[in-house]
Amino acid sequence: GEDVEQSLFLSVREGDSSVINCTYTDSSSTYLYWYKQEPGAGLQLLTYIFSNMDMKQDQRLTVLLNKKDKHLSLRIADTQTGDSAIYFCAETTNYGGATNKLIFGTGTLLAVQP
Amino acid sequence: DGGITQSPKYLFRKEGQNVTLSCEQNLNHDAMYWYRQDPGQGLRLIYYSQIVNDFQKGDIAEGYSVSREKKESFPLTVTSAQKNPTAFYLCASSIWRARGRRETQYFGPGTRLLVL
Repeated sequence: GEDVEQSLFLSVREGDSSVINCTYTDSSSTYLYWYKQEPGAGLQLLTYIFSNMDMKQDQRLTVLLNKKDKHLSLRIADTQTGDSAIYFCAETTNYGGATNKLIFGTGTLLAVQP
Repeated sequence: DGGITQSPKYLFRKEGQNVTLSCEQNLNHDAMYWYRQDPGQGLRLIYYSQIVNDFQKGDIAEGYSVSREKKESFPLTVTSAQKNPTAFYLCASSIWRARGRRETQYFGPGTRLLVL
């Protein structure tokens, strides 16, 4: 079945780069997403990548996709304390034949130390 | 401002009581979703709706009910049949796309439900 896995916790120092990893199982996923959740809040879309791309850069964020290994990563350059949050990756898969469904990972808690 | 609102922010339920969580969007999105989030777990889909007056069960629909009488609104009722309702509930909406097309879901701020 579909499954998305992430490590639970990552701690970095302010100014360092953070790399959050994710593995997924559905090779037919067309889009993969990264969402950010701050404490007690909803999810905020950070970025997405289409499955025929290897990399996407958006300011401090770099997404790398290794489709062969079904591995997705999110790199945050110059990590700030405001980046402390839970980060979810999500893959799209088919649901009921016609509908896209998002399968979310368990989330990675990023703690940025000043 | 366009967005998704959920109310209340916190909700307390007594044993045997049904409670209804509100979700409203003014983004003119066709599709709406309800997810449940438990600590240390990802989001699990409860119900979704692609169009008014139609909705489908997600992965964990037992003990929940929904309605979609208006495009803007998708309330979720947590019934007494849901034995472990304490969780954070998130509503989302999107422009419905055909299979394989990019369909970005936008989330509300969530409602935390606690059982007394």
